[in-house]
Amino acid sequence: KNQVEQSPQSLIILEGKNCTLQCNYTVSPFSNLRWYKQDTGRGPVSLTIMTFSENTKSNGRYTATLDADTKQSSLHITASQLSDSASYICVVTGLTGGGNKLTFGTGTQLKVEL
Amino acid sequence: NAGVTQTPKFQVLKTGQSMTLQCAQDMNHNSMYWYRQDPGMGLRLIYYSASEGTTDKGEVPNGYNVSRLNKREFSLRLESAAPSQTSVYFCASSPFASEGTEAFFGQGTRLTVV
Repeated sequence: KNQVEQSPQSLIILEGKNCTLQCNYTVSPFSNLRWYKQDTGRGPVSLTIMTFSENTKSNGRYTATLDADTKQSSLHITASQLSDSASYICVVTGLTGGGNKLTFGTGTQLKVEL
Repeated sequence: NAGVTQTPKFQVLKTGQSMTLQCAQDMNHNSMYWYRQDPGMGLRLIYYSASEGTTDKGEVPNGYNVSRLNKREFSLRLESAAPSQTSVYFCASSPFASEGTEAFFGQGTRLTVV
């Protein structure tokens, strides 16, 4: 069964500190992996996409990594800000005979405090 | 540019009542989706429309119907609401008729069935 597991479930850090969120998946065959940011009361917004051949991709203070061999991805947030408080969702696209299929993780709830 | 707009934002229904959730996108996207988000679970696909004129079941379609009214609008109908349908519902759209391309989400509809 295709699964996406994220850790930790929740995290509290001080403003200005760095943090790393983890995503492990069993989806196969693999097409791509996205990280979404979901603010409270809002819909998810895409931060970055990783394809099979990509190891690292940055979007401002967000850096995503992918190890397709171990089926792991991480999202590193540098110099956190209060506005980074949100749920971060890992979404893996798998290839099926009938087309692509998304499997969503349950998210990591990040809170950045003063 | 409004993106994906959902109405209503909040709704309380009694068991057995019916209602329609509305969704419209102004990005000229081909594909539209309805997801539900429950605590401790990843987003789950209810129905999707790969292109105007087509609709298909997702992972959890029971108790729901959809209509792709035109390229812009995709509605979700609950014919006889049940407490198990208490959830946050998200509509999304994407440019191409393939899951895995970037999805743009609406702000969600929080539905409570009592």
